Amino acid sequence: ETGVTQTPRHLVMGMTNKKSLKCEQHLGHNAMYWYKQSAKKPLELMFVYNFKEQTENNSVPSRFSPECPNSSHLFLHLHTLQPEDSALYLCASSQATGTGYYEQYFGPGTRLTVT
Amino acid sequence: AQTVTQSQPEMSVQEAETVTLSCTYDTSESDYYLFWYKQPPSRQMILVIRQEAYKQQNATENRFSVNFQKAAKSFSLKISDSQLGDAAMYFCAYRSAYSNYQLIWGAGTKLIIKP
Repeated sequence: ETGVTQTPRHLVMGMTNKKSLKCEQHLGHNAMYWYKQSAKKPLELMFVYNFKEQTENNSVPSRFSPECPNSSHLFLHLHTLQPEDSALYLCASSQATGTGYYEQYFGPGTRLTVT
Repeated sequence: AQTVTQSQPEMSVQEAETVTLSCTYDTSESDYYLFWYKQPPSRQMILVIRQEAYKQQNATENRFSVNFQKAAKSFSLKISDSQLGDAAMYFCAYRSAYSNYQLIWGAGTKLIIKP
């Protein structure tokens, strides 16, 4: 596997379910990101991890819980979601964070539908 | 706060023709990066082209070029000799040179290629 992979690609869950999204990067990067992409809206940055430490939590509701066990893996744990949480969730990674330029590489996303 | 605006929700172009996608942004900073990303249907978001604000020369990557007008805060993407594989959502994004990673995104333009 190369690049950034995400599983599952599609997920349908009820509002009372608990599920997790997984992201894995094979690029040797140290920073990983979760974004939410809703139709006709700009991408929203949710969480950032740099060297496994969370450096950003962009006022995300607590029903979204990230986990970064190492620099290659990132999870997004979901529980008691709302229908408005239905969206494409994108994972990205970059070599690092910092004021230099570090390109972000994206995964294909998980299409989440909350019923 | 910085903002990015893409005023064209959808554009269409005949195959082999040239199309220009518009992007304007608002910032009080003088040093920043601008990006165009491409997101094909059900596929990864990839970086198409990048422009550093301190560079007067417009960036080019094969058939893709930008028209960067710093004073007007405009950053348009020109695609020459359009191909069917160019069909995608195109996103304009801004990053302050003083930010560690925060990308400010436009809402996107859907590009349709007519055969």
